[in-house]
Amino acid sequence: QKEVEQDPGPLSVPEGAIVSLNCTYSNSAFQYFMWYRQYSRKGPELLMYTYSSGNKEDGRFTAQVDKSSKYISLFIRDSQPSDSATYLCASAPPGRRALTFGSGTRLQVQP
Amino acid sequence: EAQVTQNPRYLITVTGKKLTVTCSQNMNHEYMSWYRQDPGLGLRQIYYSMNVEVTDKGDVPEGYKVSRKEKRNFPLILESPSPNQTSLYFCASSLSGGGDEQYFGPGTRLTVT
Repeated sequence: QKEVEQDPGPLSVPEGAIVSLNCTYSNSAFQYFMWYRQYSRKGPELLMYTYSSGNKEDGRFTAQVDKSSKYISLFIRDSQPSDSATYLCASAPPGRRALTFGSGTRLQVQP
Repeated sequence: EAQVTQNPRYLITVTGKKLTVTCSQNMNHEYMSWYRQDPGLGLRQIYYSMNVEVTDKGDVPEGYKVSRKEKRNFPLILESPSPNQTSLYFCASSLSGGGDEQYFGPGTRLTVT
């Protein structure tokens, strides 16, 4: 079993929709949770960063971590065609020596 | 401009021919890492380095070597490449650890025939 599981999609939504992307993880030691966005033919770039449980909001993006159920979510409001990309969740334990990524969910926002 | 650079960007080689993919960062980051990305498997860590002369295995280190002689450089070495090492490789760096924001290079697409 992979330590971080993510539905690969693809997920196709119309412009303006609310998008929900999800991951589950198995390592209860994970404390740091991230979402990276990767455009085609590019390296990933950090989108959201949260520590332990709770919500974090940044513009149209909200990251949510539920440590009791080992569930990580990313919500995108008013989705735009420019949001079309692969979204990777990632987690790290204390000490933060290594980062474990999910396999990525490909999102397509249709104009 | 703060960045991570990788060279070459594309490489086609034959089985057994040693190759090196270079990685350099100009942000004075302590932590550097190599990943490979394969369809359906996502990003998997090959090796990482917490500082000069300090390296450690990631999830898929077999068939790879690294060295960290200078803070800014972290080359990935394939001593005897095999077709199962055909992949997209990313180098990344961060301030002090894997849990910090990692800055990724543009990727190196390697094909081993």
